Amino acid sequence: GAVVSQHPSWVICKSGTSVKIECRSLDFQATTMFWYRQFPKQSLMLMATSNEGSKATYEQGVEKDKFLINHASLTLSTLTVTSAHPEDSSFYICSASGLAVNEQFFGPGTRLTVL
Amino acid sequence: SQQGEEDPQALSIQEGENATMNCSYKTSINNLQWYRQNSGRGLVHLILIRSNEREKHSGRLRVTLDTSKKSSSLLITASRAADTASYFCATGPYNQGGKLIFGQGTELSVKP
Repeated sequence: GAVVSQHPSWVICKSGTSVKIECRSLDFQATTMFWYRQFPKQSLMLMATSNEGSKATYEQGVEKDKFLINHASLTLSTLTVTSAHPEDSSFYICSASGLAVNEQFFGPGTRLTVL
Repeated sequence: SQQGEEDPQALSIQEGENATMNCSYKTSINNLQWYRQNSGRGLVHLILIRSNEREKHSGRLRVTLDTSKKSSSLLITASRAADTASYFCATGPYNQGGKLIFGQGTELSVKP
């Protein structure tokens, strides 16, 4: 099946710094990528949807200036958490879909801890 | 806001027993999917059922979908300790480009 990778798998940073998370589709072209956030013992919350070459569409309540999403190619999307604070500590998961929009392939997630 | 509601929130059973998890949703959907997540790990896709399907099987998994009641159930038969995980339903809202809205999840514990 299709493989999606995320890098890094975990990151610890100081409050106020920015962190970039990469999401790559390894063996298919991802026309759409999705970013989710998951707090401990909770479900996945969709943050934004990005289509290659266009601006991301953010879900209500998600600050687009804080969570910068770039989908510059058909195999790579990045999420940058700017000026991270401890409350941004979470598990961030990306997914990607190709031509079959109903089929999403999930990355293994990135655990962000902000001190 | 999350569209899917799941129950129970937690389920503890003995190995060999069946486990049933339910999911309800609010709006029209293209499909409903079930995922599994081991603690601190990524998601594993289990099964997709389309809005025009009523039941689907995959190995020990059986999924039903009732669009009139906006609900779905996942049955795991003959459970194993390795089935211990969180299970999420996710709905693909109609005409929203493949977006998925996840339910709150059921934490399943299968005791050997």
